Amino acid sequence: QKEVEQNSGPLSVPEGAIASLNCTYSDRGSQSFFWYRQYSGKSPELIMSIYSNGDKEDGRFTAQLNKASQYVSLLIRDSQPSDSATYLCAVSYSSASKIIFGSGTRLSIRP
Amino acid sequence: DVKVTQSSRYLVKRTGEKVFLECVQDMDHENMFWYRQDPGLGLRLIYFSYDVKMKEKGDIPEGYSVSREKKERFSLILESASTNQTSMYLCASSLGTGNTEAFFGQGTRLTVV
Repeated sequence: QKEVEQNSGPLSVPEGAIASLNCTYSDRGSQSFFWYRQYSGKSPELIMSIYSNGDKEDGRFTAQLNKASQYVSLLIRDSQPSDSATYLCAVSYSSASKIIFGSGTRLSIRP
Repeated sequence: DVKVTQSSRYLVKRTGEKVFLECVQDMDHENMFWYRQDPGLGLRLIYFSYDVKMKEKGDIPEGYSVSREKKERFSLILESASTNQTSMYLCASSLGTGNTEAFFGQGTRLTVV
């Protein structure tokens, strides 16, 4: 079983709508959770980090964490064509441990 | 801003060659990572290092080794390059205390022929 699982997509969302990206993880001891965005041919860049249960909002982005269900999600409000990218979920056990990535979800925002 | 620099953007090597991929970070980060990225497989961890001379295997260490003699530099070594090691290689670093998010270099596209 993969440690971090994501639906590979593609997920197609109309411009202006909410895009919802989901991720599950297997290690109950995981402490840190991240969402990265990766444009084609570029390196991943951090969008959000979340460390405790609940919601964390940053502009149009909201990360949600539910440790009991081992589930983390990313909501993108008012989706823009520039949001079209692959979104990677990542999980880490501690500050001195490895960071494990999911395989990514490809998001396409249609005008 | 954190800067993670990989020595080459594109590299072409022959089968059987010993290949060195170099990565340098300028923010005094404790942790450094090497990943490879292949279509449909996401980022897979090859090795990571949490201190100078310390290393741990990731999910796919076979055929690779690493070296971290100085805190800012983390090298990935392909002992005898094979065609199935053709991939995008990404180096990353993280602080190691408190916030643990990783910052990535620009990537090295390695082709083994």
